[in-house]
Amino acid sequence: DIVMTQSPDSLAVSLGERATINCKSSQSVLYSPNNKNYLAWYQQKPGQPPKLLIYWASTRESGVPDRFSGSGSGTDFTLTISSLQAEDVAVYYCQQYYTTRQNTFGQGTKLEIK
Amino acid sequence: QVQLVESGGGVVQPGRSLRLSCAASGFTFSSYAMHWVRQAPGKGLEWVAVISYSGENAYYAASVKGRFTISRDNSKNTLYLQMDSLTSDDTAVYYCAKSPYGDPGAEYFQYWGQGSLVTVSS
Repeated sequence: DIVMTQSPDSLAVSLGERATINCKSSQSVLYSPNNKNYLAWYQQKPGQPPKLLIYWASTRESGVPDRFSGSGSGTDFTLTISSLQAEDVAVYYCQQYYTTRQNTFGQGTKLEIK
Repeated sequence: QVQLVESGGGVVQPGRSLRLSCAASGFTFSSYAMHWVRQAPGKGLEWVAVISYSGENAYYAASVKGRFTISRDNSKNTLYLQMDSLTSDDTAVYYCAKSPYGDPGAEYFQYWGQGSLVTVSS
């Protein structure tokens, strides 16, 4: 299985500041024939199910605020929140879907307000 | 809007069985693959199983293969997870999730239900 490792495990950022979460895969999730990275990001607020934020590493899901952005390729990826809002407090997960029917998630990064 | 509502969770003894259901609405259920994903208390996410839009094809995580069965009834817009030979390691919130595609493959989870808690304990 592809192992997904996120860093840091937790993060405290001031309101209005930038938050950056990293995700590293144990092998590349870039599929060369279509040049797509099979990487998604989810947000999970306390007591709620995960919510899809980003897929194909950088495509924002409909309705997701544009302060959320995804970047990276191959094995190294980043989720950036450009200006942290109070409602962004959550645990964030990356997920690889490169290996068909063997999806794996990162361990999660807990984002809090400083 | 897409709605996924799980039911059937509860407390069950080790070795016993339980069946979860997921009622879907707000989209053409029969056109999309569906997944089960679980989350142990205070832990991360683990994919469990997927079934194709028609129900013809199903695939499982190694941790549940041979014990869990995913199925669907497209006439009732409902997804199921039959869980047999349960152990304490199966204690988790179980989410049903919608695929963006009809056939299982390389996919992310587009929509999630609220989850159903399964506790395996004597």
